[in-house]
Amino acid sequence: EVQLVQSGAEVKKPGESLKISCKGLGYTFSSYWIGWVRQMPGKGLEWMGIIHPGDPNIRYRPSFQGQVTISADRSISTAYLQWSSLKASDTAMYYCATVITVFGVVIPYWCKGTPVIVSS
Amino acid sequence: EIVMTQSPATLAVSQGERATLSCRASQSISGNLVWYQQKPGQAPRLLIYGASTRATGIPARFSGSGSGTEFTLTISSLQSEDFAVYYCQQHNDWPWTFGQGTRVDIK
Repeated sequence: EVQLVQSGAEVKKPGESLKISCKGLGYTFSSYWIGWVRQMPGKGLEWMGIIHPGDPNIRYRPSFQGQVTISADRSISTAYLQWSSLKASDTAMYYCATVITVFGVVIPYWCKGTPVIVSS
Repeated sequence: EIVMTQSPATLAVSQGERATLSCRASQSISGNLVWYQQKPGQAPRLLIYGASTRATGIPARFSGSGSGTEFTLTISSLQSEDFAVYYCQQHNDWPWTFGQGTRVDIK
């Protein structure tokens, strides 16, 4: 069974750094794209970026390029989302999700989400 | 970037009635579309992938159709647990993009 297990909730101050993680279980982690989705309070969903752990090939949504860093360690089947200097506007729920291809059909799997609160 | 437009923004439906949600892509995405249901405080739940295939454990009252630029999610007979926000999302081209969501409310 495919599972994505995220790190826990974070409360940080503006200017601090943060790295959250997502561990993939039950599938071949290095074979499929995995990425991060942001949901700001009361708002919709946005893909931030994706990484293919086997390459690694990384794609960012333009609005997130330079704002966050996505990485992966395939030896421990874990993807990461990192900020070097948080802003209050980074307060959101962050979901990791992977897309697995089965007989040419793409099936996404999501984790439960990591809430990040940035407040002074 | 492919823009996904969902309509209506809000849909008020009585329990037992049929609900039809629309999703339009700004350019062809073939059948590379998924539908999600999201309830307050919960992660999105996959309903439909490949535009028309129900995900594991999804009741048969949910169905998806369409290809190219026009897609539909139909809930044949709304149950109390179906009142939620529904999102479509394309994964044909990066960046993958979501519609703004359709809220299904109790009438």
